[in-house]
Amino acid sequence: DAMVIQNPRYQVTQFGKPVTLSCSQTLNHNVMYWYQQKSSQAPKLLFHYYDKDFNNEADTPDNFQSRRPNTSFCFLDIRSPGLGDAAMYLCATSREGPRANEQYFGPGTRLTVT
Amino acid sequence: QQQVKQSPQSLIVQKGGISIINCAYENTAFDYFPWYQQFPGKGPALLIAIRPDVSEKKEGRFTISFNKSAKQFSLHIMDSQPGDSATYFCAARTTGTYKYIFGTGTRLKVLA
Repeated sequence: DAMVIQNPRYQVTQFGKPVTLSCSQTLNHNVMYWYQQKSSQAPKLLFHYYDKDFNNEADTPDNFQSRRPNTSFCFLDIRSPGLGDAAMYLCATSREGPRANEQYFGPGTRLTVT
Repeated sequence: QQQVKQSPQSLIVQKGGISIINCAYENTAFDYFPWYQQFPGKGPALLIAIRPDVSEKKEGRFTISFNKSAKQFSLHIMDSQPGDSATYFCAARTTGTYKYIFGTGTRLKVLA
């Protein structure tokens, strides 16, 4: 089944130790998103790619970086995780055209910072 | 103007009852309004979506009602079941921006 896949599902890292989360999709969607979601809150957009064009949200900390080497894969790098970065990280995709289309989420990666 | 206001924050409904969640917006450029269902520890799942050229869309037990003049839209869950217990998010976006503005979420609990 076509889907959005995130690995790992659970990630534990130490304070200040770089960590990379990955996302892959078999939907061939041209837009990929990274969201941060903390407990009982709505997803917060960190950045998104339209094809290879990177779009950063103004309030996304510099500590967060992203790479999209090809259509199918997208990575979230947290250079120096702090305790406040512990959250669920959600990858999502959509196919954009003349009209807005559905956005599909992956299962998320739960990040714990010790 | 970019906000989507969602209410209530939490909702308790008896099994078989109707669950109603409301959202309101200000930005008239929004032209796509999805609803997401999220279970604990899972990613949001697209439930149903509507565009402003229709006033209602129904899929199974789920219905979106859309009032363009009032800039409001709502999710109705008919015959609510315990398995519907989850957090529901409304969202809105403008074609061409590729960005979704989410409501704050409603935690629904359906009592058996």
